This record gives sequence, C-alpha cells and structure tokens, in this order.
Amino acid sequence: EPEVTQTPSHQVTQMGQEVILRCVPISNHLYFYWYRQILGQKVEFLVSFYNNEISEKSEIFDDQFSVERPDGSNFTLKIRSTKLEDSAMYFCASSSQGAAEAFFGQGTRLTVV
Amino acid sequence: RKEVEQDPGPFNVPEGATVAFNCTYSNSASQSFFWYRQDCRKEPKLLMSVYSSGNEDGRFTAQLNRASQYISLLIRDSKLSDSATYLCAVKATGNQFYFGTGTSLTVIP
Repeated sequence: EPEVTQTPSHQVTQMGQEVILRCVPISNHLYFYWYRQILGQKVEFLVSFYNNEISEKSEIFDDQFSVERPDGSNFTLKIRSTKLEDSAMYFCASSSQGAAEAFFGQGTRLTVV
Repeated sequence: RKEVEQDPGPFNVPEGATVAFNCTYSNSASQSFFWYRQDCRKEPKLLMSVYSSGNEDGRFTAQLNRASQYISLLIRDSKLSDSATYLCAVKATGNQFYFGTGTSLTVIP
C-alpha cells in the first residue's frame, strides 16, 4: 500500500541551527502539506503546496520556514534558525485531489535544545 | 472563532458500549469532511470520509448535517483497540485541512 515516508524520525538540534525535514509523498499525489503537533496539542496546519508553489500558509509559517520540492519525489520543510518553541512533531501529508482525504507520514519529532 | 471544534473528552466507556462524537465547523462553504484516528505519538490515520448521505463502515457510522454544520461519528460495540484520539477534519475551498483538537476515547475492559 502506498504511503508517505518521512525522514528522519527524530531530529535533535541546537537552538539557532537550520534543519531540513524530508518527505516522500505518495507518488501520484498532487497536493502536499506540512502540519505540526506540539505535544498534547492539536494538529496545526503550516503550509500546502500544489503545482510547485505554496497555495496556502498559516501564520505559524513565517520567514523562518520554507518548503521545496527539489525533484519529482521529495518535499522538504526547512526551518532556518530553530527556536525552542519549534519543538514538535512535524507531519507531512499528501492527497490526490484538493478535496480528497490526506494521508500522513509517520512524522519527524523535532527537539530543539 | 475556531474553524473546527470538538469536545476533547475524555470519554471512558466499557467494552461493548456505543459512543458518539460530534464536531462542529464554522465555514458553511466547507466541502469535504473526514474522521481520523490518532494513537499516542503517532500520525493521524484516516478512519473514514463523511458523505452527505451518511456512511457506515462496520461498527463505525459517520453523518453530516450541513444545516447545523456538524459531523458525527458513532462507534458501536466498542473494542479495547478503539482507544485513541479521534480527530475530525474539514476542508473548505482552500487547500488546507482544518483539524479539531481531537476527542480522547478510552475503552475499559
């Protein structure tokens, strides 16, 4: 069964460092998303990506964040200068159509120390 | 106003019980509705889409009430393995899914 894969599963980084979280969406999907979930809190939308550009972003997704689809399979989230409050689980998701259900990867747990 | 609201629970029910969750959404232009299940420290997994006419998948029944802007999930004959957090998700005209805070369910032996 096709699935969204994310790497690494856990990343520990020092405050101020840059991190890149990687995702491989389901191959025939066209819409890609990043969400984050701080421990014990709700799943929060960060950004959606379609047709090689950002289609929507939340207020959380400020200038410290960027996304890229560097090739036909990978979808990355970069955090330029991490803060302690960036510590969370980051989920990548993809869907085949705009209105269709989204399938989530297993997440990357980011810990900023 | 929150896009999607859920009662966080927790709901603690005995095995075999029937339990229902509701979720309300604020955007009347919302187009797609889903229920996801999330186990502790895991990713949300799609449980079922919610169709206008209502739909059933085994012990699970989902319903949509557009007039009142809510969706519901009914779980019959609860199993221990149903213990999880249930998230409703709503998609409007944009490209993002809005998630509720989730409703925690614990099924007790």
